[in-house]
Amino acid sequence: NAGVTQTPKFRVLKTGQSMTLLCAQDMNHEYMYWYRQDPGMGLRLIHYSVGEGTTAKGEVPDGYNVSRLKKQNFLLGLESAAPSQTSVYFCASSHVGELFFGEGSRLTVL
Amino acid sequence: AQSVTQPDIHITVSEGASLELRCNYSYGATPYLFWYVQSPGQGLQLLLKYFSGDTLVQGIKGFEAEFKRSQSSFNLRKPSVHWSDAAEYFCAVGNLNFGNEKLTFGTGTRLTIIP
Repeated sequence: NAGVTQTPKFRVLKTGQSMTLLCAQDMNHEYMYWYRQDPGMGLRLIHYSVGEGTTAKGEVPDGYNVSRLKKQNFLLGLESAAPSQTSVYFCASSHVGELFFGEGSRLTVL
Repeated sequence: AQSVTQPDIHITVSEGASLELRCNYSYGATPYLFWYVQSPGQGLQLLLKYFSGDTLVQGIKGFEAEFKRSQSSFNLRKPSVHWSDAAEYFCAVGNLNFGNEKLTFGTGTRLTIIP
């Protein structure tokens, strides 16, 4: 009954550090997404994937990289974190348009 | 480009009162429309969706929404709110063409319920 699982749930980074957020889904969905949520701005799409081995840029891709080596996993990487990347990150997978979200990962960059 | 406007940032209603949350969209073709709800500290959960057919759609938790093409709107309604409805609500418009299945979200409306 896991659905979409994100790790870690909280992380504090210093400017310039790198990190990876992991998203795992057990619903065999083809489509997966990474969103960021900031106050007053709703959810903005960072990157998405339409299947294993494929990725595409969303609305705000700069400063992030992603990989989809396995169908069930979608990784979001920050190579050199900046304070502007302080946000809550949500992973989602979808089936016929319905998104299933993880509980979010709160990232603070100092 | 597709876009969604939720003009109300914050709405306060009394428990038992009726509710309407506004959503206007911009989309070049027949839109796929969604309402999601987010409780504090949680991810988003689908309330309802409109793909085609009957313009009044029913969702979970007693919510409904009406698609009005002439007004480019998809407003969410509930006849009598409960304290547990306090949350943030997001309207979204989507493109479900294969290989391009993604949603654009509005900025959200925060709902506060007073006793």
